[in-house]
Amino acid sequence: EAQVTQNPRYLITVTGKKLTVTCSQNMNHEYMSWYRQDPGLGLRQIYYSMNVEVTDKGDVPEGYKVSRKEKRNFPLILESPSPNQTSLYFCASSDAPQGFTEAFFGQGTRLTVV
Amino acid sequence: AQSVAQPEDQVNVAEGNPLTVKCTYSVSGNPYLFWYVQYPNRGLQFLLKYITGDNLVKGSYGFEAEFNKSQTSFHLKKPSALVSDSALYFCAVRDPDSSYKLIFGSGTRLLVRP
Repeated sequence: EAQVTQNPRYLITVTGKKLTVTCSQNMNHEYMSWYRQDPGLGLRQIYYSMNVEVTDKGDVPEGYKVSRKEKRNFPLILESPSPNQTSLYFCASSDAPQGFTEAFFGQGTRLTVV
Repeated sequence: AQSVAQPEDQVNVAEGNPLTVKCTYSVSGNPYLFWYVQYPNRGLQFLLKYITGDNLVKGSYGFEAEFNKSQTSFHLKKPSALVSDSALYFCAVRDPDSSYKLIFGSGTRLLVRP
């Protein structure tokens, strides 16, 4: 089954404790993105990747890091989480830039930073 | 600034009645427009897109959307609503400055009552 898998689904952490949210896709897609979803704001892109070792900032990259060492994986790293990063996070992948084609989304990771 | 507006936070409709979820956009150049749906505790799922061609676009689950260039709108419609259509709906447009980015609206919650 074609899917994008995120882990964990839920996470509560404390301010400053480094964490990683994993994302893996099994569709051999080149393009992957991370979004955060906040009430009343829709989804905003954090980072995106066009291929292995190629990443770029989205609209809200501050406080986040990403890496793309393998085509299927695109982890999101919060080096020092803060309460304003409490949000619902989605990973997405596609076989062409997401401005042109259907994107496939993971089930989301609800992060709470206290 | 490029933007997408979904003027209604919530739309209520009775099962069997037609539904419309509104979306207007403001982008430079030709818009590439998308609708996604988010069911509870799930990631976003692609419904349909408009790139070029016929102004009436048909998508998944019986949904369709009409592109209106003069009104800069891309409203989502369905002739007969189902209770199972109850979900959060997002309109999105390709960022004209980057094909890798989508600009999302704030979302509209659709509630279909039996």
